[in-house]
Amino acid sequence: GEEVAQTPKHLVRGEGQKAKLYCAPIKGHSYVFWYQQVLKNEFKFLISFQNENVFDETGMPKERFSAKCLPNSPCSLEIQATKLEDSAVYFCASSQSSALYGYTFGSGTRLTVV
Amino acid sequence: KQEVTQIPAALSVPEGENLVLNCSFTDSAIYNLQWFRQDPGKGLTSLLLIQSSQREQTSGRLNASLDKSSGRSTLYIAASQPGDSATYLCAVGISNDYKLSFGAGTTVTVRA
Repeated sequence: GEEVAQTPKHLVRGEGQKAKLYCAPIKGHSYVFWYQQVLKNEFKFLISFQNENVFDETGMPKERFSAKCLPNSPCSLEIQATKLEDSAVYFCASSQSSALYGYTFGSGTRLTVV
Repeated sequence: KQEVTQIPAALSVPEGENLVLNCSFTDSAIYNLQWFRQDPGKGLTSLLLIQSSQREQTSGRLNASLDKSSGRSTLYIAASQPGDSATYLCAVGISNDYKLSFGAGTTVTVRA
């Protein structure tokens, strides 16, 4: 399809529980990105993939966050032992073979940790 | 580190007025610049993409300019409508680094 599909739209977890978010990029797009929107308009880069390979993971809090993009499966972002400060909207974006074509964003997953 | 600033933070105009949204960035070695629209509680909708070699892009009532040397981009929205009310985000792609650096956005309200 021509949209980046993110599921679920909303996720509520108790502190310490695991959260798993999914992203299906646009078919044919080679790059997948995850961003975290914490405050109103503050976007933090987490990780990017080129196909199933990690391209850049400099933004990932590695002790609790992990991500995968496996062939023929949606990409996933998993947070182990969630903390209150993980509450945010997590956006996935995909891009064609190079950033020359810009990025298409999904509608996001709102994670609330209580 | 690329810093992206958007001015003003908020803007309220009567319907029909033209909108001018500004975006500035500190590192001119950019790959591209993309303007997005975000409605409350929604995702990002891409409006215009300007490559580093381009000076402007147009789509309908929207026109975006890019001046790499001065580190600026401007989004013009002609004849604003209440449906244009949203937050507009500027995002800069850095050369050889596919990450985007976002500005904090300009929240626009168009009054009927």
